[in-house]
Amino acid sequence: KNQVEQSPQSLIILEGKNCTLQCNYTVSPFSNLRWYKQDTGRGPVSLTIMTFSENTKSNGRYTATLDADTKQSSLHITASQLSDSASYICVVSLSPQNAGNMLTFGGGTRLMVKP
Amino acid sequence: NAGVTQTPKFQVLKTGQSMTLQCAQDMNHNSMYWYRQDPGMGLRLIYYSASEGTTDKGEVPNGYNVSRLNKREFSLRLESAAPSQTSVYFCASSEGYTFGSGTRLTVV
Repeated sequence: KNQVEQSPQSLIILEGKNCTLQCNYTVSPFSNLRWYKQDTGRGPVSLTIMTFSENTKSNGRYTATLDADTKQSSLHITASQLSDSASYICVVSLSPQNAGNMLTFGGGTRLMVKP
Repeated sequence: NAGVTQTPKFQVLKTGQSMTLQCAQDMNHNSMYWYRQDPGMGLRLIYYSASEGTTDKGEVPNGYNVSRLNKREFSLRLESAAPSQTSVYFCASSEGYTFGSGTRLTVV
């Protein structure tokens, strides 16, 4: 069964600190891996998208890494800000050749940044 | 503003009532999706439409129906609401790259 597991489930850090969120997946075949940010009461917003051939992708203070061999990804947030408080969701996309359920979503990591 | 628009934002239903959740996108995307999000779980696909005129079941379609009215609009209907359908519903377009802001549904 295709699964995406994220850790930790929740995290509290102080403003200005760095943090790293983890994502392990068993999805196969693999097309791409995405990280989304979801603010409370809002829909998910895409942060980064990586194909299996990409090892890292940055979006401002957000840097995602991917190890397709071990099926692990991480999202590193640098110099956290209060506005980074949100849920971060790891999503793995099946190969484009598979129709139907294209995306497998992780349960998310809830990040709280405190002043 | 361009994007995915969902209505209503909040709804409370009694068990057995019916309702339709509306979704519209103005980005000319072919594919549209309906997901539900429950606490502690990843988003799960209910139904999707790869193009105008086609719809297919996702992971959790029971209790729901959909209509792809035209390229812009994709509606989700609950014919007889049940408490197990209490959830937050998200519409998305273009293979999940763009999401609406969600409909929080409570069935009592």
